[in-house]
Amino acid sequence: SSELTQPPSVSVSPGQTARITCSGAVLSNQYTYWYQQKPGQAPVMLIYKDNKRSSGIPERFSGSGSGTTVTLTISGVQAEDEADYYCQSGDSTDTFQVFGGGTRLTVL
Amino acid sequence: EVQLVQSGPEVKKAGESLRISCQTSGYTFNSYWIGWVRQMPGKGLECVGIFYPDDSDSRYSPSFQGQVTISVDKSINSAFLEWNSLKASDTAMYFCVRGGFITIGGFDFWGQGTMVTVSS
Repeated sequence: SSELTQPPSVSVSPGQTARITCSGAVLSNQYTYWYQQKPGQAPVMLIYKDNKRSSGIPERFSGSGSGTTVTLTISGVQAEDEADYYCQSGDSTDTFQVFGGGTRLTVL
Repeated sequence: EVQLVQSGPEVKKAGESLRISCQTSGYTFNSYWIGWVRQMPGKGLECVGIFYPDDSDSRYSPSFQGQVTISVDKSINSAFLEWNSLKASDTAMYFCVRGGFITIGGFDFWGQGTMVTVSS
């Protein structure tokens, strides 16, 4: 299966750590990418190739995981981190790309 | 500076044809995958398909295969997404995205989005 599963929502208080998971069989042999999308804006790539931060992305964003589940961790969450987060990977043959359903992060 | 600038919003009727565009600059167009991502109102991201300008390799997600066509014009470093017969369900924001260098990879640069509205 090429599906990627994310929790629909995650809520944390400012300063806490938020963890957003992404699960799928393809993740065991394909890289994962993470994106942040704020309302009315185009998505921004946060993490590429599982755990590399894109240029200009704060160090509080990190990617990790192995096997069929990967995690985006946001340490010391700030109010400005409230957004939708998506994981993305290729299908098992790298023929097409798939996104997870997205996770809405709410900062309480 | 890498830029992807998309054409403006479109309002069409079901059954009409449409082509939206993405003008790129700031990088070697032929060497990077370029694609399109759909976002229906209030919904998540879906990859429509991707295209490699250097050898014209195109790959479509199963849901979009046969429904749209991605093309490029290398002379003007632009990509296009085309419909022959629009449906109301095509109403969405469409983002142009740059993929990886030679390999597909993730999408590191995004256009501003083109809103397509199709009335039945």
